[in-house]
Amino acid sequence: AQTVTQSQPEMSVQEAETVTLSCTYDTSESDYYLFWYKQPPSRQMILVIRQEAYKQQNATENRFSVNFQKAAKSFSLKISDSQLGDAAMYFCAYKTSGSRLTFGEGTQLTVNP
Amino acid sequence: GAGVSQTPSNKVTEKGKYVELRCDPISGHTALYWYRQSLGQGPEFLIYFQGTGAADDSGLPNDRFFAVRPEGSVSTLKIQRTERGDSAVYLCASSPTGGTEAFFGQGTRLTVV
Repeated sequence: AQTVTQSQPEMSVQEAETVTLSCTYDTSESDYYLFWYKQPPSRQMILVIRQEAYKQQNATENRFSVNFQKAAKSFSLKISDSQLGDAAMYFCAYKTSGSRLTFGEGTQLTVNP
Repeated sequence: GAGVSQTPSNKVTEKGKYVELRCDPISGHTALYWYRQSLGQGPEFLIYFQGTGAADDSGLPNDRFFAVRPEGSVSTLKIQRTERGDSAVYLCASSPTGGTEAFFGQGTRLTVV
């Protein structure tokens, strides 16, 4: 079975600094997708960034980028120039085509002014 | 509306009662997912619909839980004989045909007292 592990229950960062959230996963599949979701107190899951496993190039979305290491089954999220609005729970998630998302336990990110 | 809509936003019920939670997906999305999120944890998969049929219901915890999607759009998650352990946020998500991104609603917080 696929599993997703986030080893950092809580992280904090100073406003305008950079923070990296860790995620590892376990799968026997070769073709899959990885995601980082943000969940603010409003509860709605918001997609931050996605990565297709067949792509070697790391995904980037403005201040958000990933470090995807397929062989190591590692998928970390880097947030640059952190803003107060980035404070939220962040979930790493995995899926294969046509199947459900498997989520990690989450990392609570605090941004200090 | 443009997004996934879930009603009610909050539901308090007494132990042993029956509840229904509704999910209205994005128009035209054929895939619909239900997840359950306990406090401080990542969402856990319950059931996945492709059109009107349940493609994967392996996440339903027991036979007190049932979900339907009779016309391939709105879905209802039904919980019989509720227990205090059923208290959680129930999230719904939808995806277009062939899509990999899931769009989430704001969830229903169910509290069983």
